[in-house]
Amino acid sequence: EAGVVQSPRYKIIEKKQPVAFWCNPISGHNTLYWYRQNLGQGPELLIRYENEEAVDDSQLPKDRFSAERLKGVDSTLKIQPAELGDSAVYLCASSLGRVGEKLFFGSGTQLSVL
Amino acid sequence: DQQVKQNSPSLSVQEGRISILNCDYTNSMFDYFLWYKKYPAEGPTFLISISSIKDKNEDGRFTVFLNKSAKHLSLHIVPSQPGDSAVYFCAASADGNEKLTFGTGTRLTIIP
Repeated sequence: EAGVVQSPRYKIIEKKQPVAFWCNPISGHNTLYWYRQNLGQGPELLIRYENEEAVDDSQLPKDRFSAERLKGVDSTLKIQPAELGDSAVYLCASSLGRVGEKLFFGSGTQLSVL
Repeated sequence: DQQVKQNSPSLSVQEGRISILNCDYTNSMFDYFLWYKKYPAEGPTFLISISSIKDKNEDGRFTVFLNKSAKHLSLHIVPSQPGDSAVYFCAASADGNEKLTFGTGTRLTIIP
């Protein structure tokens, strides 16, 4: 069974440039999450989708971050424009969406903003 | 405001001995707790979980203990093996909400 697939694996950009991350969740998982992990910290939730609906985006900096999950399958997270403080690992996870169901994480995209 | 705290950034344990990783939380609404393990350049992988209605859950070499009155949980690994060397994250959720709040992680090194 394929796991959560993320791309790109690494991204280096200059500040003020746009960047996008892509995630394909495990087949059949209707809940998808985007987390951000800063160096030396634990992952922090940015947004959670139930199918194509964003049910929790309270931690998403909406002035520069946007996300979409068209058709309720794969998802894209975008930053425009990127700032130096956005350098982090962006993790995508998926689950079956039932209470207590464990999350499966992708390998993440490591973003460096110069 | 760190609601889930792992106060030991690193821990070294001799192979074959017991590893004990600790986690404290402040939010009394948390009712489900998980441990995730992370190798370099990989995403976190689920290890073991415990509901607030229990005080212990065991899975092979891994046991998680929950002390609700102290708002403390711990992960015991026995015996420790070199492959256990990784960063371990404690996570918690409230009221069945799937939103996980993670701790800052503890880097475990098993010394052969």
